[in-house]
Parts: sequence; structure tokens; C-alpha cells
Amino acid sequence: EAGVVQSPRYKIIEKKQPVAFWCNPISGHNTLYWYRQNLGQGPELLIRYENEEAVDDSQLPKDRFSAERLKGVDSTLKIQPAELGDSAVYLCASSLAGTGDYQYFGPGTRLTVT
Amino acid sequence: AQSVSQHNHHVILSEAASLELGCNYSYGGTVNLFWYVQYPGQHLQLLLKYFSGDPLVKGIKGFEAEFIKSKFSFNLRKPSVQWSDTAEYFCAVRTNDMRFGAGTRLTVKP
Repeated sequence: EAGVVQSPRYKIIEKKQPVAFWCNPISGHNTLYWYRQNLGQGPELLIRYENEEAVDDSQLPKDRFSAERLKGVDSTLKIQPAELGDSAVYLCASSLAGTGDYQYFGPGTRLTVT
Repeated sequence: AQSVSQHNHHVILSEAASLELGCNYSYGGTVNLFWYVQYPGQHLQLLLKYFSGDPLVKGIKGFEAEFIKSKFSFNLRKPSVQWSDTAEYFCAVRTNDMRFGAGTRLTVKP
């Protein structure tokens, strides 16, 4: 079984530039999560999707962050424009059935904003 | 506000020593509890989970955790650690959403 796939694995950009991260969840997993993990911290939820619907985006900084999950499969997380404080690892996770199952994590995208 | 606390930021042990990593949470309702592990250069993996039933749960690689509801705790234990257990360990609590602790880095010296 293929795991959660994320790309790119690493990204270095200058501040004020846009950046996008892509996630392909495990086949059949309806629920998809985006997390941000700052250095020395645990992951923090940004947004949760049930199929193509964003059901929890309360922690997503909506002034510069956006996400979509077209057709309820792949998802893209975008930052525009990026700020220095956005440097972090962005993790995607998926689970089989809403919040009633544990989450499988992808390898993450390490973003460095200079 | 709901929070998850991991008491130790960095633990250093010799091989064969016993391990206990603390985790406390601040939520009074029904919770699901997890321990995830992140080995160097790898992604987060589930170590064990508690949903209901026996409060002593066993996970992979000889790890176990005990849910003590009265203490709002879910401590991780292993009787004898190995060098390969060197990793970062995250406690997580799920109510409506998932909250992670800050993690504990475990270094096992050979």
C-alpha cells in the first residue's frame, strides 16, 4: 500500500514569493489534513477535509494561506505571499473515516523562507 | 484551552535502560489518545493508540502506554530501550481535532 505522498520535499523561497505544496493521500482515505510543524514543536492542524469539503479551517491564516481538495483526492496548500515566519515543515495526513481513525502522515515539505 | 504537555524535551538513556515518557492533557471529555514516533529522516508513524477498553495498551516494538483518566495522563513506557529507539516521540489527543504535544527527543547511547 502506497503511503501519503507529498511534494516537493524541500523548498527554499524568498519572502513575499508564493509557494504551493501538493499532497496525495492514501487511496480510499476520505479525510485529509494539513499540519504545520515548527522546529521543536509538534504538528499543528491547519485544515481538515472530509472528501472535498473543508470542515475545519479555523487555524488556517486565511489572509495568506489557501487550500483546495478538488474531487476529494489530491490537495494543494498555498501560501501567498510567504513570510519569514512561515518557515516550517508542512505535513499532510489522511485517515479512512473522518476523525474516527488514526492518521497516516506523509514525509512533509520543509519550507525555508529567506 | 485544550492542550497536551510532554514533560521532557530531551531524554538520554543507555541501552537496556527503562523508559517512561510523560504526557498530560487538559480536556475533560471523551478523548482518543495516541503516541507517534518520528525516526531520524522518516515521517511520523503511529506507535500505539487508545480509544476505549483496557487502559494499558501495547504498541509496536515493545512499547506500551497506560491511560489514567483521573490524572489525565497517557505515559509511554518500554522496559528496555535499544539504540534503534532513538527518535522523537509525540503524544497526541483527539477530541474534535488532533492536538500534539511538543515532542520528546530520545537519544539511546549504545
